[in-house]
Amino acid sequence: EAQVTQNPRYLITVTGKKLTVTCSQNMNHEYMSWYRQDPGLGLRQIYYSMNVEVTDKGDVPEGYKVSRKEKRNFPLILESPSPNQTSLYFCASGQGLKQPQHFGDGTRLSIL
Amino acid sequence: RKEVEQDPGPFNVPEGATVAFNCTYSNSASQSFFWYRQDCRKEPKLLMSVYSSGNEDGRFTAQLNRASQYISLLIRDSKLSDSATYLCVAETGTASKLTFGTGTRLQVTL
Repeated sequence: EAQVTQNPRYLITVTGKKLTVTCSQNMNHEYMSWYRQDPGLGLRQIYYSMNVEVTDKGDVPEGYKVSRKEKRNFPLILESPSPNQTSLYFCASGQGLKQPQHFGDGTRLSIL
Repeated sequence: RKEVEQDPGPFNVPEGATVAFNCTYSNSASQSFFWYRQDCRKEPKLLMSVYSSGNEDGRFTAQLNRASQYISLLIRDSKLSDSATYLCVAETGTASKLTFGTGTRLQVTL
């Protein structure tokens, strides 16, 4: 089954404790991206990757890092999480930027 | 001005009604457009791509107006199951990214 898998689905943690949200897709997609969704602000892109070893900043990259060492994986790293990063996060992948995107189920992060 | 703007709604319509949403985009270089549907706290799912010539999928019709820089979504014969938030998406080619609108909420009632 074609899918984008994010883990964990839910996480409550404390300020400053590094965390990684994993994202994996099994569709051989080149384009992958991370979004955060907050009430009233909609989906905002954090980082995206056009292909392996190619990543770039989206609209709200501050406080986040990503890597794309393999085509299927695109982890999101919060080196020192802060409460303003409490949000619902989605990973997505697509054949390309101009193609429909497939989203993971989402990760709900709470930073205390 | 936001890159992609939508009326947040909510649009409350009775079952069987026809409802239309518009979405404006600011970047005239945008080439690809999509409508996604999002149920509460779930992941967005593609509803349909929007082609220059317009396209129809069952009860759903999408249109693109490049001159006025907006896209539209028309839903005919609304069903209770159509209740959701509809997200408009534009690809901003030069910046290699997708920009989502904040969504229009639709509530279909009996």
